[in-house]
Amino acid sequence: DTAVSQTPKYLVTQMGNDKSIKCEQNLGHDTMYWYKQDSKKFLKIMFSYNNKELIINETVPNRFSPKSPDKAHLNLHINSLELGDSAVYFCASRRQGGTDTQYFGPGTRLTVL
Amino acid sequence: QQQVKQSPQSLIVQKGGIPIINCAYENTAFDYFPWYQQFPGKGPALLIAIRPDVSEKKEGRFTISFNKSAKQFSLHIMDSQPGDSATYFCAASGKGFQKLVFGTGTRLLVSP
Repeated sequence: DTAVSQTPKYLVTQMGNDKSIKCEQNLGHDTMYWYKQDSKKFLKIMFSYNNKELIINETVPNRFSPKSPDKAHLNLHINSLELGDSAVYFCASRRQGGTDTQYFGPGTRLTVL
Repeated sequence: QQQVKQSPQSLIVQKGGIPIINCAYENTAFDYFPWYQQFPGKGPALLIAIRPDVSEKKEGRFTISFNKSAKQFSLHIMDSQPGDSATYFCAASGKGFQKLVFGTGTRLLVSP
């Protein structure tokens, strides 16, 4: 019954590695997001996809590449990981239209050593 | 113009107290103002939301007060409980916006 799920929950890796985080929603929504939450709890939007099409890219480094194989999935691939990438990454989804509720996943805590 | 300013950054109240978290915005195109609650280790979840056609909305112990002329809105938690200890985010959006603009968050601790 999980609405928005993410895997993995925790990810610990070395600098320079490449890693992916997966997100799936079973709400039938057509818009999905990736957020980064830093140690100060600030929520920063990274990307948004609507019907598999990129609609928001908030000046995120090219090392981050989202991929949406279908409306229910939005994965995040990160190349050449850096220490500053350590954060909690949240996936979210909502129906089309800016005023509908966004549903967040449980988050993926990424630690880069 | 797309910022939402939130204060205070942190707040400690005793059980039964009424914490108040304030947010201010500049963009008059915003017409949807939700509050999200985030517990440690969890994702944010919608708590309550308001549109500018009303000045107040209550859901249980949670109340949003909205002042359209001042471009401010606030969250009040009546009879606060230790279980309300969490981080609270205000946000804003509107027609034509593809995203929510979040405030910087308020960490609330309700002591027993």
